[in-house]
Amino acid sequence: EDQVTQSPEALRLQEGESSSLNCSYTVSGLRGLFWYRQDPGKGPEFLFTLYSAGEEKEKERLKATLTKKESFLHITAPKPEDSATYLCAVQAGTASKLTFGTGTRLQVTL
Amino acid sequence: GAGVSQSPRYKVAKRGQDVALRCDPISGHVSLFWYQQALGQGPEFLTYFQNEAQLDKSGLPSDRFFAERPEGSVSTLKIQRTQQEDSAVYLCASSLQHNSNQPQHFGDGTRLSIL
Repeated sequence: EDQVTQSPEALRLQEGESSSLNCSYTVSGLRGLFWYRQDPGKGPEFLFTLYSAGEEKEKERLKATLTKKESFLHITAPKPEDSATYLCAVQAGTASKLTFGTGTRLQVTL
Repeated sequence: GAGVSQSPRYKVAKRGQDVALRCDPISGHVSLFWYQQALGQGPEFLTYFQNEAQLDKSGLPSDRFFAERPEGSVSTLKIQRTQQEDSAVYLCASSLQHNSNQPQHFGDGTRLSIL
């Protein structure tokens, strides 16, 4: 059974204080690892897809990386508007569904 | 263009009532997914359609849950004889192609509360 574990559960940063969120996964035949952002009362918003170990993608202050066992979402010089829950999900084998972790709640303060 | 649209946004029902939740996917998207999200948890898969065909319903928690997509576009998730444990946010997502690793795009969900 596919498993996704995210850490930490919650993270509080000051504006400008860089950090990383972790997503560890155990799957058979990874086809894609997805990062989403979710604001309160909203659906998950797509950020990145990573397909193979060593791949990196960047968008503004966010950078996602992938190894054979985990993915990191690096946040550089965060701003208060980056506050949200960040969800990691995997797609594996022949299944089309996504298996999600429980998310990391990020709060960025002034 | 328009994103995934779900209605109603909020639904309150008494235990034992039937409810129907609607999803309008992004136009042209072949694949449609339903997920259930409990408070403080990640979304959990319920069921998947390719056009009008329901290809995977392994995540439906009981036979009280039923989903359909009769014309390959709009989908309805129906829950019969609702129970308190059915209270959750129900998310719909769509993606462009079948069985691809293209991203799924989510609606804002229906928050279901069972009294």
